Amino acid sequence: GAVVSQHPSRVICKSGTSVKIECRSLDFQATTMFWYRQFPKKSLMLMATSNEGSKATYEQGVEKDKFLINHASLTLSTLTVTSAHPEDSSFYICSASDRLNQPQHFGDGTRLSIL
Amino acid sequence: AQKITQTQPGMFVQEKEAVTLDCTYDTSDQSYGLFWYKQPSSGEMIFLIYQGSYDEQNATEGRYSLNFQKARKSANLVISASQLGDSAMYFCAMREARDYNTDKLIFGTGTRLQVFP
Repeated sequence: GAVVSQHPSRVICKSGTSVKIECRSLDFQATTMFWYRQFPKKSLMLMATSNEGSKATYEQGVEKDKFLINHASLTLSTLTVTSAHPEDSSFYICSASDRLNQPQHFGDGTRLSIL
Repeated sequence: AQKITQTQPGMFVQEKEAVTLDCTYDTSDQSYGLFWYKQPSSGEMIFLIYQGSYDEQNATEGRYSLNFQKARKSANLVISASQLGDSAMYFCAMREARDYNTDKLIFGTGTRLQVFP
């Protein structure tokens, strides 16, 4: 079945660092990928829709300059948390579907901890 | 207004018993899709089952079945013969027709299921 790979699985870094998270579709092409943020014991909050070859569509309240998304190819989207601060600590997870109207496949997520 | 409502923050069930996880939704679209995902403590999201709004039969996938009551706007997940490995968070999600071109999903707040021996 369709597989989505996310890397790294865990990041611990100092405040002010920029962190890049990669999301890859391993066996299919994804024109659209999604980035979610999840706080402990909470639901998934959609941050943005990553569109291959064009700008990402951000949800209301998400700072586009803080969370940079690049979708340069049909198999790779990256989320960069710029100048990360402790309040950015969270679980970030990406998803993609191999066809429209099919269930999304999720990466394993990235636990980001900013000290 | 909440689009997806999961009223049970936590549920307990004994091994081998069946359990129902509730999900109600709110949409004005005639065409929509409903999904259930499982999230173990390790964090990955595992797709379980899908129900389309026009599907006449309730969806089933192995031990998972979806009790779809369209008039009540409910899509409850039934897990039969619970196993210890079923302990996890369970999320109900919806894709509305307006989002079919984008595949955007809206998630509920989740239900934590704990299966005990």
